Amino acid sequence: DAGVIQSPRHEVTEMGQEVTLRCKPISGHNSLFWYRQTMMRGLELLIYFNNNVPIDDSGMPEDRFSAKMPNASFSTLKIQPSEPRDSAVYFCASSLLSGLADITDTQYFGPGTRLTVL
Amino acid sequence: SQQGEEDPQALSIQEGENATMNCSYKTSINNLQWYRQNSGRGLVHLILIRSNEREKHSGRLRVTLDTSKKSSSLLITASRAADTASYFCATADRGSTLGRLYFGRGTQLTVWP
Repeated sequence: DAGVIQSPRHEVTEMGQEVTLRCKPISGHNSLFWYRQTMMRGLELLIYFNNNVPIDDSGMPEDRFSAKMPNASFSTLKIQPSEPRDSAVYFCASSLLSGLADITDTQYFGPGTRLTVL
Repeated sequence: SQQGEEDPQALSIQEGENATMNCSYKTSINNLQWYRQNSGRGLVHLILIRSNEREKHSGRLRVTLDTSKKSSSLLITASRAADTASYFCATADRGSTLGRLYFGRGTQLTVWP
């Protein structure tokens, strides 16, 4: 089975441009997470969805960031306009939640998108 | 912050030696997980230990959990150069059904051949 798929794998853009990152979660998973990883700040949770509904977007750094999940098999993270400080590796992860409290909630990560904003 | 904290930040050992990494956290948890990240790759789940478990083994991995001290350790026995990676602990809050995990900053392990 395919794991979490992210595209593009690398993105180089100029400041002010719009950037769209894409994620296809593992089929059948019902939760999706967007993370950002930098040397300075480590792994940060930006937003996550349960059953396509955004649950917590408190990690989204600014209004320039937005995320959507129009269906169970696709999500986007958009940055508009992009800035050099947005340069990072962006990961998407998915998991299968049963809705029970005492259950494993292992997350499966994609390979990441390395974003460089010049 | 609810994030776990790994200790040490970096660890350098020779092949064949054991590597021990520690994780401390602040909240009551449902479970604690360890993930591995090779350079340039995504995180990969290694092992999960529930809050009512004290020790768990998987191959060369041994994880312990002390909920009274809010700490966990990951032991990799007979390390290999291929074990070189960053290792992260992640916790799931007790009672949460939302699936959110709180990741630490990671331990960078280097195993020299």
